[in-house]
Amino acid sequence: DGGITQSPKYLFRKEGQNVTLSCEQNLNHDAMYWYRQDPGQGLRLIYYSQIVNDFQKGDIAEGYSVSREKKESFPLTVTSAQKNPTAFYLCASSSSGTVNEKLFFGSGTQLSVL
Amino acid sequence: KQEVTQIPAALSVPEGENLVLNCSFTDSAIYNLQWFRQDPGKGLTSLLLIQSSQREQTSGRLNASLDKSSGRSTLYIAASQPGDSATYLCAVESTSGTYKYIFGTGTRLKVLA
Repeated sequence: DGGITQSPKYLFRKEGQNVTLSCEQNLNHDAMYWYRQDPGQGLRLIYYSQIVNDFQKGDIAEGYSVSREKKESFPLTVTSAQKNPTAFYLCASSSSGTVNEKLFFGSGTQLSVL
Repeated sequence: KQEVTQIPAALSVPEGENLVLNCSFTDSAIYNLQWFRQDPGKGLTSLLLIQSSQREQTSGRLNASLDKSSGRSTLYIAASQPGDSATYLCAVESTSGTYKYIFGTGTRLKVLA
């Protein structure tokens, strides 16, 4: 079945540690996105990529980094500079990143601070 | 700056009732509005996408309408079932800015058996 796989489902970060969230898709989509979801708030865009080796910052990119070396993969690193990382992280994709495309989401990663 | 609001934040209805969820947005310059469903601890599933030139879209028991000029959309769920219990989010794709979709905070729906 085609879809988006996020791993791990739960992740714990120690003080000063960088952690990486995995996102893999087999939908052959060009565009991929990372969102952060906090309780009682809407999803906020962290980074997005419309093509391999290219990505742009979203609303809340500070303290995060991404790479897009392969079409299928868009990992997100939460760095120690992100002081409030506890949230539910969602990866999404769309066919080409142009307008009027449905977004497809993975099942999310819950990140907590130890 | 585009803002998307969903009221109420939570709603409980008895099984079989027809219900309407509301979504409002402040800037009518949009390409489309999309409705999503989110189950607890899960990702979002796209339900319906209404382009700016369209007035409504239907899928099964779901019907979504769009009034761009007034900045409103509604999601109508007919003959609600306990399996419809979830959080429903709307999102608009604005023509201005580069940040793709702007999401509302969602309406948490509980359908009582």
